[in-house]
Amino acid sequence: IAGITQAPTSQILAAGRRMTLRCTQDMRHNAMYWYRQDLGLGLRLIHYSNTAGTTGKGEVPDGYSVSRANTDDFPLTLASAVPSQTSVYFCASSYSGSVGYGYTFGSGTRLTVV
Amino acid sequence: GQNIDQPTEMTATEGAIVQINCTYQTSGFNGLFWYQQHAGEAPTFLSYNVLDGLEEKGRFSSFLSRSKGYSYLLLKELQMKDSASYLCAVRDGDYKLSFGAGTTVTVRA
Repeated sequence: IAGITQAPTSQILAAGRRMTLRCTQDMRHNAMYWYRQDLGLGLRLIHYSNTAGTTGKGEVPDGYSVSRANTDDFPLTLASAVPSQTSVYFCASSYSGSVGYGYTFGSGTRLTVV
Repeated sequence: GQNIDQPTEMTATEGAIVQINCTYQTSGFNGLFWYQQHAGEAPTFLSYNVLDGLEEKGRFSSFLSRSKGYSYLLLKELQMKDSASYLCAVRDGDYKLSFGAGTTVTVRA
């Protein structure tokens, strides 16, 4: 079934630890995105990639890094987790050549940093 | 950047109509989207407007006025399953989406 897969589904992480959230899509979308969703703040863009080999910073990039080695994978790394990074993380993808096409979202990763 | 405002909560009765307003100020505009998000789930695409006017899709309609920076999502014949959060999102010239904080709609029997 075509779509986006995120792993893990949920995680409790000790502060200071390193963590990589995985995201894989099989729709051959050129663009991929990472958002965090916090109560009352909505979805905020962390990092994005318009095509394999390129990445860009979103609204809240500090403390996060990404890579885009190929079309399908877009991992998000927290180098040294802090409690303020407790959130639900959504990966999304899109095909920017399709005008009316929005994003397809993964099912999310619920991360708790303690 | 983008500044997107929508009401925090709305409540309506089953079978009724609810209109969710969204106002935006953007540095670039390439379309407006509405997403539905049930609790604990991912957002799912509802509608897209890039030109002024009304787009109708079954029980859901979305309207856009670019000159006013205004959109609304109209939900008709409300059902209990429509209880969810509705997200207004604006796409910029680089195809990135900025989201409002979302409107939680509660449908009562």
